[in-house]
Formats: sequence, structure tokens, C-alpha cells
Amino acid sequence: QKEVEQNSGPLSVPEGAIASLNCTYSDRGSQSFFWYRQYSGKSPELIMSIYSNGDKEDGRFTAQLNKASQYVSLLIRDSQPSDSATYLCAVKGSGAGSYQLTFGKGTKLSVIP
Amino acid sequence: SAVISQKPSRDICQRGTSLTIQCQVDSQVTMMFWYRQQPGQSLTLIATANQGSEATYESGFVIDKFPISRPNLTFSTLTVSNMSPEDSSIYLCSVELRGSGNTIYFGEGSWLTVV
Repeated sequence: QKEVEQNSGPLSVPEGAIASLNCTYSDRGSQSFFWYRQYSGKSPELIMSIYSNGDKEDGRFTAQLNKASQYVSLLIRDSQPSDSATYLCAVKGSGAGSYQLTFGKGTKLSVIP
Repeated sequence: SAVISQKPSRDICQRGTSLTIQCQVDSQVTMMFWYRQQPGQSLTLIATANQGSEATYESGFVIDKFPISRPNLTFSTLTVSNMSPEDSSIYLCSVELRGSGNTIYFGEGSWLTVV
């Protein structure tokens, strides 16, 4: 059973602070990792993808991957109230069914003005 | 990315009826999937829609309850059959686009409420 674990939150940060969202996964052979943002009443929207160990930056967002620790994180710098949403970690595995995404339950982020 | 259109976007359905959701993509697609998101929950894969053949269902989902068609590369339908209140959920079409580096994108979702 492939599992993806996230803290459900809510995670509250003040406006302008750094929000740190964490995710662990069970399938050591996983190759692709994604962060989606989901606003209430909307469908998931892709924010970042990461495939190699290390950091990947895109604007205010940085994804970090450590395959040895089976850990992926998302940092949001200069957090804005518009960043308030649920953030879903998703992992694409290895072997049979490797085209499928396994989702965590999501972390609800609240940015306080 | 691409435009992934789902219809209907929202519906209220009577218990025991069936509803078909359509998904149309405006770009070349390699894979199409159907997900369900129950209230307050994360996403669960229902099935992979295969062009011209039977869909591949995940554990807990069966063809009689969730028949799926994919007559061509860019169009698929999901039917939710004999609905009960437990089927109240968001149903999401998702696709892997050709040349997207195996990234999966979602349609806007179909919000179903069964009464």
C-alpha cells in the first residue's frame, strides 16, 4: 500500500512569513513529486513538480526533495492571504501503476493578514 | 497546460438515478483518469480511462457502478449509476498531456449532491 502523509493542519502563519509544508511517502521507488493547491470549492491546481534531490525554486515557491529520507516539502516565502488554501502532496510511484498519483490528505494553510 | 472542460459543473440528483459527466480536452493527451473527492477528504483514483477499451478500475470501484467510456484520445465520460447520498462528491477528470513531463492536470470538477 503506497502512502503519502501530510499534517492536516490548519497551519497558520502571519502575512509575509515563510510557510513550510511537509510530506513523507512510503514507496522508496517513487520518481515524481507534485504539489497542488486547492482553494475551497475549486479543483486542484498544480504549483510545483520535482524529480531530483535538492531544491527547485519558482517565484515565491521552493520545493525540496530528499529521496533518502522519503521526504518532500514546499516553502512559500512572503506568504499572502491569497495563499490560504489546502496544499496537496502527490507522488507518482514505481512499478505497476507507476502512472498513477497517490495523494496525501492535504495541509490547510491559513495566512493571517 | 490545456483546457480541460467538464460538464456538468454542478448538479443535484435524486437517489436511484444515474448521471453522466463529460470531459473534453483541447490538447493531445496520453493518459486520462477519473478521481473522486468526498467532502473533507483527499483525492481517490476511481479508474484510468483507456481509449477504445474497458477502463482500469481501482480497488473498491466497479464498472457497474462507474461505467467509463473513452471513444477517442481527448474525450471521456464517467457515469455514476444508481446514486445514493454516499455518492455526493466532487468528480474530477485528470489528464497527462503529451510532452508535459508526466505532469497530471485536473479539470474544474463536477460537484454532485445526491438527495
